[in-house]
Amino acid sequence: EVQLVQSGAEVKKPGESLKISCKTSGYNFPIYWIAWVRQMPGKGLEWMGIIYPADSDARYNPSFRGQVTLSVDKSISSAYLQWSSLEASDTAMFYCVRPIMVGEIIVGIDYWGQGTLVTVSS
Amino acid sequence: QSALTQPPSASGSPGQSVTISCTGTSSDVGGYPYVSWYQHHPGKAPKLLIYEVNKRPSGVPDRFSGSKSGNTASLTVSGLQAEDEADYYCSSFADSNNLGVFGGGTKLTVL
Repeated sequence: EVQLVQSGAEVKKPGESLKISCKTSGYNFPIYWIAWVRQMPGKGLEWMGIIYPADSDARYNPSFRGQVTLSVDKSISSAYLQWSSLEASDTAMFYCVRPIMVGEIIVGIDYWGQGTLVTVSS
Repeated sequence: QSALTQPPSASGSPGQSVTISCTGTSSDVGGYPYVSWYQHHPGKAPKLLIYEVNKRPSGVPDRFSGSKSGNTASLTVSGLQAEDEADYYCSSFADSNNLGVFGGGTKLTVL
């Protein structure tokens, strides 16, 4: 059974760093792209970026490039989303997902993590 | 404001059909055959219903169908059942970011 299990909710202060995780199981982690999706309070879903674990090839939504970093650890089949300096506007729910790809195009999402709520407040 | 426009709500009685629209532009919905639809029950992970406009993953009932015309995609739920009450999101590949965009979601109520 494919599972994506995310780390727990976080409460941080502006300026702090943060790394949230997505532990996967039930499939061959290196050969499937994995992605992160943001949902700000009361707002819709947004693609943040995708990463191919086999070679850590990461593609970012231009809206998020430079704001976050995607990484993986193949040895433990886990993906990570990190910030070096959080802002209040980073408050959101973040989902790791396994996208369905046709070539390099995302055509759907077949598995979702349960979401990690990040709250940034002074 | 989401990139794709969905009606905030839709409703129907058991057994009826309901159609949810998803309007984008020629840079996403209209330009590519890569529209997907998700069902989201609160507290659970979203579930893929439709991908590539009208394909159903195995296990998804054929009561769920997708279509597209121009810049608007549609999800039709036929033979409404109580368990269909949920939020529904559309998504499309978008050449604006080479990843994709989502709709704002539609809350489906089964009366």
